[in-house]
Amino acid sequence: GAGVSQSPSNKVTEKGKDVELRCDPISGHTALYWYRQSLGQGLEFLIYFQGNSAPDKSGLPSDRFSAERTGGSVSTLTIQRTQQEDSAVYLCASRAGNQETQYFGPGTRLLVL
Amino acid sequence: QKEVEQDPGPLSVPEGAIVSLNCTYSNSAFQYFMWYRQYSRKGPELLMYTYSSGNKEDGRFTAQVDKSSKYISLFIRDSQPSDSATYLCAMRVPDSWGKLQFGAGTQVVVTP
Repeated sequence: GAGVSQSPSNKVTEKGKDVELRCDPISGHTALYWYRQSLGQGLEFLIYFQGNSAPDKSGLPSDRFSAERTGGSVSTLTIQRTQQEDSAVYLCASRAGNQETQYFGPGTRLLVL
Repeated sequence: QKEVEQDPGPLSVPEGAIVSLNCTYSNSAFQYFMWYRQYSRKGPELLMYTYSSGNKEDGRFTAQVDKSSKYISLFIRDSQPSDSATYLCAMRVPDSWGKLQFGAGTQVVVTP
């Protein structure tokens, strides 16, 4: 069956440009998470969506980062005025409401030059 | 100090050996403990999930939680080259609707 998909797989951008990263969760999963994984680091929580509730944005590192989830399905993570320290793998995960398991996508590798 | 500490390795073992991985944590409120496996250029996948203290076994994998010591372990028996990956421990943040706190991950290399 279809898992979590993310696009693009890789993104190279110049410092100061805006980027949009997309996540398609597993159909029917009500919870959606964004994480960031820097080289040699574990996953860092960014933001969480649960159904129609207000998102938990407590992990966003600065106001240059934002995310939305339209229609309770697809989510977009936007990074404005990218900086070199934003270079990382951005991972999305989704979870069914009554389960603990988070299913991860393959990630988007972002390189800011 | 990070809330979850994990030695990044790399940990190199010969095929057939037992792989021993561990994490320590500081938040005594953690109740749900997980181990994820991540192959190169892939997303993490859940291996083991344990609630509170105790042991859990699944095939060649055994997860142990010692809440009194704030210490969790993952053992892989009869290791195979296909077990070569990064192993991340994770703990569910209390009252957070499933938000996870991850360790840095340990890179494991199983040599034939």
